[in-house]
Amino acid sequence: DIQMTQSPSSLSASVGDRVTITCRASQTISTYLNWYQLKPGQAPKLLIYAASSLQGGVPSRFSGSGSGTDFTLTISSLQPEDFATYFCQQSYSTLRTFGQGTKVEV
Amino acid sequence: QVQLQESGPGLVKPSETLSLTCIVSGGSINNYYWTWIRQPPGKGLEWIGNIYYSGSTNYNPSLKSRVTISVDTSKNQFSLKLSSVTAADTAVYYCARDGTHCSGGSCSDSFDPWGQGTLVTVSS
Repeated sequence: DIQMTQSPSSLSASVGDRVTITCRASQTISTYLNWYQLKPGQAPKLLIYAASSLQGGVPSRFSGSGSGTDFTLTISSLQPEDFATYFCQQSYSTLRTFGQGTKVEV
Repeated sequence: QVQLQESGPGLVKPSETLSLTCIVSGGSINNYYWTWIRQPPGKGLEWIGNIYYSGSTNYNPSLKSRVTISVDTSKNQFSLKLSSVTAADTAVYYCARDGTHCSGGSCSDSFDPWGQGTLVTVSS
């Protein structure tokens, strides 16, 4: 299995802050890396696919970067609606695996 | 746009079979893979498996002996069965479309859209 390690597991931030979440794969996955946002009671949302491509309708304050084993999700200016949990996920392997999640809280 | 909705019992007894259905509306189930994912309370996401509209499947090896995913194209829905459940199977279960997204020559298979999820509790 390809293990995905996210850091930090949680972070405290304020509106307007720049937030960075990292994700490391246990082996190279090229750019087969996606980022999702989860909020309680809501359908999870695809934010970024192929490591750096913004899904349609997602605000431009979200960006992704990286390739190989190291990836980053950045929120340039945190908004109130961005307080949520974020997961990375690899699609290099048929056995899809996720990072353990990063909870962004006030 | 395509919307997914999970349905099924919220409470299942230990050793019994968990059964969930995902109804796809606003689009056809054809020509896509469809996935089940779960999140135990306080834990991360676990991919359970997927099915192509034609019926071919892929399962997480950790669950493969207990999982069956099926598709009914006439009803535009797909289903999950997980047998011999224990308390460790208590989770929010999500269904999602598994499709290929490409931009600027880079592609990745990703889950979009998702259903809202349904909590299944295993308890006597």
